Amino acid sequence: EIVLTQSPATLSLSPGERAILSCRASQSVSRYLAWFQQKPGQAPRLLIYDASNRATGIPARFSGSGSGTDFTLTISSLEPEDFAVYYCQQRSDWPPLTFGGGTKVEI
Amino acid sequence: EVQLLESGGGLVQPGESLRLSCAASGFTFSDNVMTWVRQAPGKGLEWVSTIGTRGTTHYASSVRGRYTISRDNSKNYLYLQMDRLRAEDTAVYYCAKGGETPSDYWGQGTVVTVSS
Repeated sequence: EIVLTQSPATLSLSPGERAILSCRASQSVSRYLAWFQQKPGQAPRLLIYDASNRATGIPARFSGSGSGTDFTLTISSLEPEDFAVYYCQQRSDWPPLTFGGGTKVEI
Repeated sequence: EVQLLESGGGLVQPGESLRLSCAASGFTFSDNVMTWVRQAPGKGLEWVSTIGTRGTTHYASSVRGRYTISRDNSKNYLYLQMDRLRAEDTAVYYCAKGGETPSDYWGQGTVVTVSS
C-alpha cells in the first residue's frame, strides 16, 4: 500500500500570502497524484489531477508540481475562501486508492 | 450539470445493515467508474470501494467481506450494501465519479452512525 505523507499538518498564513503544501509518497506514483480541497461541512473538490493539471473551473492561483515521490501544491496568493483542508490522493498503484492525512490552511 | 445525491444513511446498532444509494445525473453513468469514500468525524478521507464500468469491484481491507458495491446502469444508481456494521464504520459516506480516473465530482455525503 502506498502511504502519502502531507506536511505541514497546519499552515498558518494571511490572505495574500503564498502557500506551499507538500505530499510525499512511500514509493513512486509517477504523476498519478491529485489534490482536493475540503471546507467544513462540504464534500471534497478536485483541484489538481495528474500532478499539475487544474480541474475545470479551478483558479490559476492553484498550481501543482512534482513526480515520482515528491509533490507540491502551491497557492500563489491566498484568498479568504482558500482557507480549508487539502488532501493529496494517488491512483498509481491501487487498490487501495490512498489519501494523505491532510494539511489545514488556517488564517 | 453533473449531480450525485446520496441517501440511505442513518443510525443503526452494531451488527446491523444499511444500504446506501447514490443517484447520478448529468453524465453517462454507464461509462464511468464510481467510488465510495468515507470520512469519520474529525478525520481524513478514506477510500472504501470502487466499481468499474463492467462491474469489477475493489474494496478497502477494512470493509472487504462486509460491504458490497453495485450499480444499476439502467437507473443511474450506485449502491453500497453495508453489513455487520461496527462503531468504526461511523462516517460521512461520499459517492464520487471516478476512482481509476480522477474523482472530479462528489456528492454531498450521507451520514452513517453505528452506535448502541
